Amino acid sequence: AQTVTQSQPEMSVQEAETVTLSCTYDTSESDYYLFWYKQPPSRQMILVIRQEAYKQQNATENRFSVNFQKAAKSFSLKISDSQLGDAAMYFCAYRSRRPSGTYKYIFGTGTRLKVLA
Amino acid sequence: DAGVIQSPRHEVTEMGQEVTLRCKPISGHNSLFWYRQTMMRGLELLIYFNNNVPIDDSGMPEDRFSAKMPNASFSTLKIQPSEPRDSAVYFCASGGDRGREKLFFGSGTQLSVL
Repeated sequence: AQTVTQSQPEMSVQEAETVTLSCTYDTSESDYYLFWYKQPPSRQMILVIRQEAYKQQNATENRFSVNFQKAAKSFSLKISDSQLGDAAMYFCAYRSRRPSGTYKYIFGTGTRLKVLA
Repeated sequence: DAGVIQSPRHEVTEMGQEVTLRCKPISGHNSLFWYRQTMMRGLELLIYFNNNVPIDDSGMPEDRFSAKMPNASFSTLKIQPSEPRDSAVYFCASGGDRGREKLFFGSGTQLSVL
């Protein structure tokens, strides 16, 4: 069974600095998707970035980028120029991609990011 | 599109009572997921449906939990009888089949069992 591990329950970063959140996963599949979701205090779940496993190029969305290491099964999120609005819980997620058309998302336990002014 | 709609947003009940959480997925989405969020375990997948059929319910913690999806626009998660350790935020999410389709979440139900 697939598992997702986020080993950092909490992280802090100074405003305008860079922070990296870690995520590792375990799977025997070769084709899958990886995601980072942000959950602010409002409880809303917001997609930050996604990566398709067959793509070697790391995904980037403005100040957010990932370091995808497929062999190591690692998928870290880098936030550059951190802003106060980045403070939230961040979840790493794995989605299997099955020919049958069914799939499921597995989430990690989350990392709470604090941004210090 | 109104997004995924969950109700109620908050539920406070006493131990032993039946609790029913409701979800309306986004129209056209054929997959629906129920998650439970706690500090200790993060987001746990309880059950998911595809085309209204339960595909995997291995995450349902006990027989006290049950979920149904009678049609493409409605699903329920029921806890009977409820216990204090069931207190958590319960999320419903829906998604489509197309390759890059992301998961769309409802606003969650904060359940408190006293």
